[in-house]
Amino acid sequence: KAGVTQTPRYLIKTRGQQVTLSCSPISGHRSVSWYQQTPGQGLQFLFEYFSETQRNKGNFPGRFSGRQFSNSRSEMNVSTLELGDSALYLCASSLAGQGGRLYGYTFGSGTRLTVV
Amino acid sequence: DAKTTQPNSMESNEEEPVHLPCNHSTISGTDYIHWYRQLPSQGPEYVIHGLTSNVNNRMASLAIAEDRKSSTLILHRATLRDAAVYYCIHDTEHRDDKIIFGKGTRLHILP
Repeated sequence: KAGVTQTPRYLIKTRGQQVTLSCSPISGHRSVSWYQQTPGQGLQFLFEYFSETQRNKGNFPGRFSGRQFSNSRSEMNVSTLELGDSALYLCASSLAGQGGRLYGYTFGSGTRLTVV
Repeated sequence: DAKTTQPNSMESNEEEPVHLPCNHSTISGTDYIHWYRQLPSQGPEYVIHGLTSNVNNRMASLAIAEDRKSSTLILHRATLRDAAVYYCIHDTEHRDDKIIFGKGTRLHILP
């Protein structure tokens, strides 16, 4: 079966611009979570969506936002990009609600964002 | 939040067993313990998970302490391809809790 698909794989943006990243979960998965990973850092939680509702949010500024559509696909948006936003952005989808929130938790390959 | 504690890094010789420890003292009775690993330039991938009993699969074994406050991921015969960052996390029954991966343990395999 198809895995978690993130697009685009690579992106270069200029400071001050905004960017939208996309995540298509595994078919049937209703929960999508987003993480930011910078060199030397672990996975830092951004937010989690379940059935189009934001269920949880990490400690990131309001420039980071997201949403989930009725087909469970999710997008995250970063406005007014800063150099420090350069990172690998990962999304993970899971069945959730069946055997625990980590049940079937599967990551995509990520979008590498470079801000110049 | 569901937090775990792992050593920052570990080193092992190729073809020897590796024991990766994890503390999860805040775990609740129904939380599963999961392990993931992240190879260079990839997203994390599932390794193994368990609740109370020790678990085995083709990738690894998971040994869970009797009080469930710690667990150990066992790679029986490490290869160079096992060099990765290993994350230990546990489920949470509280929907307001965040799933925290932390920084994991960076495993170095020496040839």
